[in-house]
Amino acid sequence: NAGVTQTPKFQVLKTGQSMTLQCAQDMNHEYMSWYRQDPGMGLRLIHYSVGAGITDQGEVPNGYNVSRSTTEDFPLRLLSAAPSQTSVYFCASSYSQGSYEQYFGPGTRLTVT
Amino acid sequence: GQQVMQIPQYQHVQEGEDFTTYCNSSTTLSNIQWYKQRPGGHPVFLIQLVKSGEVKKQKRLTFQFGEAKKNSSLHITATQTTDVGTYFCAVYNQGGKLIFGQGTELSVKP
Repeated sequence: NAGVTQTPKFQVLKTGQSMTLQCAQDMNHEYMSWYRQDPGMGLRLIHYSVGAGITDQGEVPNGYNVSRSTTEDFPLRLLSAAPSQTSVYFCASSYSQGSYEQYFGPGTRLTVT
Repeated sequence: GQQVMQIPQYQHVQEGEDFTTYCNSSTTLSNIQWYKQRPGGHPVFLIQLVKSGEVKKQKRLTFQFGEAKKNSSLHITATQTTDVGTYFCAVYNQGGKLIFGQGTELSVKP
């Protein structure tokens, strides 16, 4: 199993550009989520999904969209990139919502200039 | 919403010294998870605590869940350079979202 994969590993955007961060898992996990990590802020939940076709907002959803058309994929879209979105983004998955360990992808380091 | 406070933010120790990080919540927790993130890496699950007063050990790591289920700690005995990284606690809030503490960054001087 590849586990949780994310692409790209690095990305530089100009303010106002849009892009999609890809996330996929091959463990047949129902629950998937996106976090951003900033120095001193820990990991903050952006959006999550409890299954295909179902998504919900986390702590910091503004400026981001998600969709979950399949169990495997959970892309994160930046609609109009801003410097405040410069961060490291992690995708995670788990068997189901609730008391299950999260498996994290390797992360995408995004810089918005 | 659910918040969990983690202290300290940074800890610098000499190799062989002990290390402890604490997580505190104002509300009773159903469970708490601990993760480790190596520099440049991604968080990796360490353990989950569920029961009041629970103590679990993994080699030199000892995890505790408070009697009131409002706090937890991770203690590392005799740190090694391989322990370097950031340790996070994480809790599920009432909406089922997994919320992370701010993390404790551990550096170990050989």
